[in-house]
Amino acid sequence: EPEVTQTPSHQVTQMGQEVILRCVPISNHLYFYWYRQILGQKVEFLVSFYNNEISEKSEIFDDQFSVERPDGSNFTLKIRSTKLEDSAMYFCASSERPDYGYTFGSGTRLTVV
Amino acid sequence: AQSVTQLGSHVSVSEGALVLLRCNYSSSVPPYLFWYVQYPNQGLQLLLKYTSAATLVKGINGFEAEFKKSETSFHLTKPSAHMSDAAEYFCAVNSGGYQKVTFGIGTKLQVIP
Repeated sequence: EPEVTQTPSHQVTQMGQEVILRCVPISNHLYFYWYRQILGQKVEFLVSFYNNEISEKSEIFDDQFSVERPDGSNFTLKIRSTKLEDSAMYFCASSERPDYGYTFGSGTRLTVV
Repeated sequence: AQSVTQLGSHVSVSEGALVLLRCNYSSSVPPYLFWYVQYPNQGLQLLLKYTSAATLVKGINGFEAEFKKSETSFHLTKPSAHMSDAAEYFCAVNSGGYQKVTFGIGTKLQVIP
């Protein structure tokens, strides 16, 4: 069964450093998403991406965050200057259409120290 | 605006007993509804989805959910709990084809031997 692949599975970074989280969505999917889950809390929407541009973003997705689809397969989330409160599990998801449901990756656990 | 409310952040059932996880939704238009499951240290896996066809939806692992418009509910059930069902379950809503999916806060299911 097709999978969404995320790398790395764990990342530890110093506060103020830049991180790039990588995702390979399912190849025929057109919609891409980043969500995050702070330990013990709800799954929060960050951003959706369609047709090579951001289609929607949440209040969390401020100027420190950016997304890119640098080639035909990868979808990345960059955090420019990490804060302690950015520590969370970050999930990438993709779908053919949002109402079909999403396929999620296994997540990247980001720890900011 | 769309939202879901999951009643009960923790539910405990005995092995073999009925599982009932509650979800109520709010949507200004007929919604698409989903249940996802998250096992420890893993991503979210789609259990089942309602997309305006049959109101009783069957999913993987013996789970099913019934869409009740009059009650704005989409409760998840399984007749007989198995130890392997212990996980966190998330109800989610999408209010129309191209909008993002919004997740509930999740319900942790504990299965007691």
